[in-house]
Formats: sequence, structure tokens, C-alpha cells
Amino acid sequence: DAGVTQSPTHLIKTRGQHVTLRCSPISGHKSVSWYQQVLGQGPQFIFQYYEKEERGRGNFPDRFSARQFPNYSSELNVNALLLGDSALYLCASSLTADQPQHFGDGTRLSIL
Amino acid sequence: AQRVTQPEKLLSVFKGAPVELKCNYSYSGSPELFWYVQYSRQRLQLLLRHISRESIKGFTADLNKGETSFHLKKPFAQEEDSAMYYCALGNSGNTPLVFGKGTRLSVIA
Repeated sequence: DAGVTQSPTHLIKTRGQHVTLRCSPISGHKSVSWYQQVLGQGPQFIFQYYEKEERGRGNFPDRFSARQFPNYSSELNVNALLLGDSALYLCASSLTADQPQHFGDGTRLSIL
Repeated sequence: AQRVTQPEKLLSVFKGAPVELKCNYSYSGSPELFWYVQYSRQRLQLLLRHISRESIKGFTADLNKGETSFHLKKPFAQEEDSAMYYCALGNSGNTPLVFGKGTRLSVIA
């Protein structure tokens, strides 16, 4: 079992750019959630997708968007990057939207 | 507003001593509470949920709605319990929405 895989592991961008982060869930898992973890803080919920539909959205600006593909993988997109977007972005998958989540290692995004 | 407070950034205890990691929450509805753990060089993983009312690796946690607390307890700490512990709050199912800042537990031999 490869677990939840995220790519890339590290990424450096500059202010104003956009970024796409990718997540492959555990095989058979149909729900994917995204979290932002700023240094020194706990993770904060951004989105949850289940069966390609948005199930929940956290308190993040519209610059953040996501989607889930037919193979249940997911992308998180962030536009007009700000310095404050520097964080570890975690993806978690679960069998359904109501089952326990399994986390990936995250993508560390640095904004210069 | 939803909020989770873990007042201790670091907690050090001796092996065999009791452990209590504190968690207080603020939520207007019916909360779902979780404890997550991250061991060194491992991924964040679910330790236990309040609705399961189970003991995992000797840890238990009871939801106290009057005190809005969900403290994590273990009667006898072991060295392998050393890790980062996060308390989290959700509103339904198994999706945590807000995490606390975490408490690093260090068990000293």
C-alpha cells in the first residue's frame, strides 16, 4: 500500500504566481481533503471532495480552488500567491466522506 | 467561531508516569472531537475519536461538554509515546476542520 502520495514534495514560487499541487489517494478511496499547515500551527481545512463533488470548504479566499478527477486524484490550485501562503499543504484520503482520513507527507510551498 | 486550544506546547514526563494532554474547544454546534498523532518522520495519523469511546495504545479521551474539553490521558507513559499530538474539531463524520497548535510529548527514560 503506497498510501496517499503528493507531488511535488517541495516547491518555490514568487508572489503573484499560481501553483498546482497534486494528490493521489489510497487505492479505493473516493474522498480527498486538503489542509494548510503554517509553521507552528496545526493543519487547517481547505476543501473536501467526494465522488468528484465538493463536500466542504474551509475559510479560505477564492484564490484557492480544487477539483477531483474520475480516478479520484485531486489538484489544489492557488492563484495570486501571497507570502502568507507559504505552508505545508497536506492531502488526506478516505474510503467515503465519513470514514477516517489517511494523510500524505505534504507539499512544502515557499513563496519568495 | 470554531477554535481548538492546546495550552501546552511541550510536555515532558518520565516513563511510567501518567500523561494528560489538554484540549479545549469552542464550537456552537454538536462537535466531533479527534486526537491525531505524528511520530518522528511519520505521517499524521488518527489516534482516536470521541464517538468511538475506545482506547488506543493505552490512550483514552472523554468529551466533557460542560467544560468544553477533550483531554487525552494515559496512566503509564512509554518512551514510544514521544510524538506530536494534535487535538482537532469537526462538525460531522470523520473530517477534522480545525486543529490545535499541537503538544509535543517527550517521555524521558
